[in-house]
Amino acid sequence: QSVLTQPPSASGTPGQRVTISCSGSNSNIGRNSVNWYQLLPGTAPKFLIYTNNQRPSGVPDRFSGSKSGTSASLAISGLQSEDEADYYCEAWDDSLNGPVFGGGTKLTVL
Amino acid sequence: QVQLQESGPGLVKPSETLSLTCAVSGFSISSGFYWGWLRQPPGKGLEWIGNIYHIGSTYYNPSLKSRATVSVDTSGNQFSLSLSSVTAADTALYYCARRDGYTWGYFDYWGQGTLVTVSS
Repeated sequence: QSVLTQPPSASGTPGQRVTISCSGSNSNIGRNSVNWYQLLPGTAPKFLIYTNNQRPSGVPDRFSGSKSGTSASLAISGLQSEDEADYYCEAWDDSLNGPVFGGGTKLTVL
Repeated sequence: QVQLQESGPGLVKPSETLSLTCAVSGFSISSGFYWGWLRQPPGKGLEWIGNIYHIGSTYYNPSLKSRATVSVDTSGNQFSLSLSSVTAADTALYYCARRDGYTWGYFDYWGQGTLVTVSS
């Protein structure tokens, strides 16, 4: 059972905009920033979003993040087939004194 | 370009100790940052195991603290994980990663992961 809650799956067609939610509590998302990662089988996880809405160098602006209260979301616009992957949110948890993750959302591009 | 590569046995017997090493290239561990281990059991989400700061301070997930040890070898530019008394529940894809910052930070570089199966 993951500390942060994500929907297990999401889907969209090429060109669409999809959003993935991440719900937490006051001990994690409510007090700390949220990061997002993209996981593809057999490859190193990719760092997508940090500090709620900042994109690292090289990440397309099709990816955006937001946070409100104890929830956060990742939006992907102009969906492409290469975006088909698992997406994880992460935030520092003050009770655990460490980072916690969501259970992951498998994105399918139809 | 910072690169991390995990290595270690893919099969460990129950009750034994799992030992993994993460070789870092493109960046000197002694220059700073936190270096961590995470895992993903089959069909489940990511779980943080522990971090080590470049000068040796360690931080662990309380659920694993009594069994996990993270150490650093700055001369070899690598860091390691030992997990004792393993059971089938420790079967997972193990990742090493660099963490930029502590409470406010993020894992910016990751290894590809190495699958460890606990079975007799």
